[in-house]
Amino acid sequence: SYELTQPPSVSVSPGQTASITCSGDKLGDKYACWYQQKPGQSPVLVIYEDTKRPSGIPERFSGSNSGNTATLTISGTQAMDEADYYCQAWDNNFYVFGSGTKVTVL
Amino acid sequence: EVQLVESGGGLVQPGGSLRLSCAASGFTVSSNYMSWVRQAPGKGLEWVSVIYSDGSTYSADSVKGRFTISRDKSKNTLYLQMNSLRVEDTAVYYCARDPVAAAGTTVHYFDYWGQGTLVTVSS
Repeated sequence: SYELTQPPSVSVSPGQTASITCSGDKLGDKYACWYQQKPGQSPVLVIYEDTKRPSGIPERFSGSNSGNTATLTISGTQAMDEADYYCQAWDNNFYVFGSGTKVTVL
Repeated sequence: EVQLVESGGGLVQPGGSLRLSCAASGFTVSSNYMSWVRQAPGKGLEWVSVIYSDGSTYSADSVKGRFTISRDKSKNTLYLQMNSLRVEDTAVYYCARDPVAAAGTTVHYFDYWGQGTLVTVSS
């Protein structure tokens, strides 16, 4: 079965750039998306189709996907961006989630 | 406005059954790909099952043969019938919509999620 791997945690200072990676075999040949989840809340889509932002998602969120790695980048990170982030791809009728990355804004 | 409202969660003994419901508004369930996703306490997201617009269904290996996804067009509602429940099925269960309901595409993601319903399997 297909697997996606994320680092457990990423720390970033306010105003700096946070990069979260998601690795999977030939992930660049698939489409990746990203969700933000804050404690006690449902996940929220922040990036879909590798690079697209849904309406209402700030421009500081961006995505890329190439080779075996998809990356979510948060530019000018704010305290409100502190959350868990999950990547997700689709493989042969199965939806696959990454293990999740906790972003801490120090 | 798109809304998804889950219900049916609760406490059940190992080996028991439970049926979850997800009432949708603002769109037609049967015209979309609809999934159940769960999250065990303190853990990550795990996809459970999907029903496509053509009625075909797929499930994760961890629930195959025990859980059944279905929908009722007249009620615009998604269901998850869970049988032979195990302690490790304890989780918050979310229903979620995949807006890309087109055969042959590989772009699939969830744009709307419900608030979740908690299922606890314990003796």
